[in-house]
Amino acid sequence: DSGVTQTPKHLITATGQRVTLRCSPRSGDLSVYWYQQSLDQGLQFLIQYYNGEERAKGNILERFSAQQFPDLHSELNLSSLELGDSALYFCASSLDGTGKKTQYFGPGTRLLVL
Amino acid sequence: AQKVTQAQTEISVVEKEDVTLDCVYETRDTTYYLFWYKQPPSGELVFLIRRNSFDEQNEISGRYSWNFQKSTSSFNFTITASQVVDSAVYFCALSEAGGANQAGTALIFGKGTTLSVSS
Repeated sequence: DSGVTQTPKHLITATGQRVTLRCSPRSGDLSVYWYQQSLDQGLQFLIQYYNGEERAKGNILERFSAQQFPDLHSELNLSSLELGDSALYFCASSLDGTGKKTQYFGPGTRLLVL
Repeated sequence: AQKVTQAQTEISVVEKEDVTLDCVYETRDTTYYLFWYKQPPSGELVFLIRRNSFDEQNEISGRYSWNFQKSTSSFNFTITASQVVDSAVYFCALSEAGGANQAGTALIFGKGTTLSVSS
């Protein structure tokens, strides 16, 4: 158990809908990262937050957004969903957001868009 | 640009065989960090090891060992006496030190190597 929690574990929805994925980092970790894992693209970085502020953006679509709250949990919002958004979404946390600190991953949320 | 290449897509071995998973990376930074993660069939990503660019010492942990060579930009992972429970997808990843605002420290992953160990 990494100490990172993600809810829900599974999500099935329809095209055009909006969903919210939630992540709670390990106790004491200030930085949260979101990654998407799909068969064709592999594991790709989406966005990073550190202590409530956005730090870096990767290949995140404009239809996707995220935030980190004062209690440090984070939410990833996916809207106007398309079939191609079906993927495993991981949240990871690290102590301070520097590359030298290990990122620990949550169990992931498996999203299926029908 | 940063890049991680795991040339082996799939490897199949029989229990008790030794197996080496290759990882080659590219980065222009002098300070960077290398990682291996394991993804078993259940789907979670499990951290195995972290290495920084200044530490080329090889590491052994039980049946696992890692060989980091800056001269060839490689960070290979060997499992000795493999077991069925080692069956998983193994990812090599790279991150850089990040700037003053800690941006740019996301992990760049290779495509992964699927290891199948049969009894």
